Amino acid sequence: NAGVTQTPKFQVLKTGQSMTLQCAQDMNHNSMYWYRQDPGMGLRLIYYSASEGTTDKGEVPNGYNVSRLNKREFSLRLESAAPSQTSVYFCASRVGETQYFGPGTRLLVL
Amino acid sequence: QKEVEQNSGPLSVPEGAIASLNCTYSDRGSQSFFWYRQYSGKSPELIMFIYSNGDKEDGRFTAQLNKASQYVSLLIRDSQPSDSATYLCAVRSNYQLIWGAGTKLIIKP
Repeated sequence: NAGVTQTPKFQVLKTGQSMTLQCAQDMNHNSMYWYRQDPGMGLRLIYYSASEGTTDKGEVPNGYNVSRLNKREFSLRLESAAPSQTSVYFCASRVGETQYFGPGTRLLVL
Repeated sequence: QKEVEQNSGPLSVPEGAIASLNCTYSDRGSQSFFWYRQYSGKSPELIMFIYSNGDKEDGRFTAQLNKASQYVSLLIRDSQPSDSATYLCAVRSNYQLIWGAGTKLIIKP
């Protein structure tokens, strides 16, 4: 089992560019999450998906969109990147009370 | 606004001693409380969670919950250098977890 995988590991964008962060899990979990982590702050929920075909906004959804492509995959899209979106992005899936995190994507927006 | 507060540290503890990490939360309706560990440059991983007032033990780790004081703590007994990491406290509020910023723990050999 690979667990939760994320691509890319690192990305540099220019302001206004778009990109999609990919996430996949092979644990057959229904719930999946996208977080961002900034220095000195806790993880903040961007979007989550309770099951295939459903998505809901979290605490900081502005500037992002998501797609739950199937049970395995949950992608995060930045349509027009801004420097404020420079962060580390984590995808997670959940079973019971345990969230399993991917290795993260470090995004730098210039 | 629902908040989870942690001292950012670093907290320095000698090897073999007890490390005590603390967390306070604002939402009195919270029912589930979590401790995650995050090594530098890595992703968070669950250590343990607690629902009820009192203590819950798992190996060298003990979580303590006091809902009246809105306070959660994590004790690490016989601290090892491999315990050096940032410890994240999280509290379930409705559908999502609210996260503290974490306490950096350094275990000195």
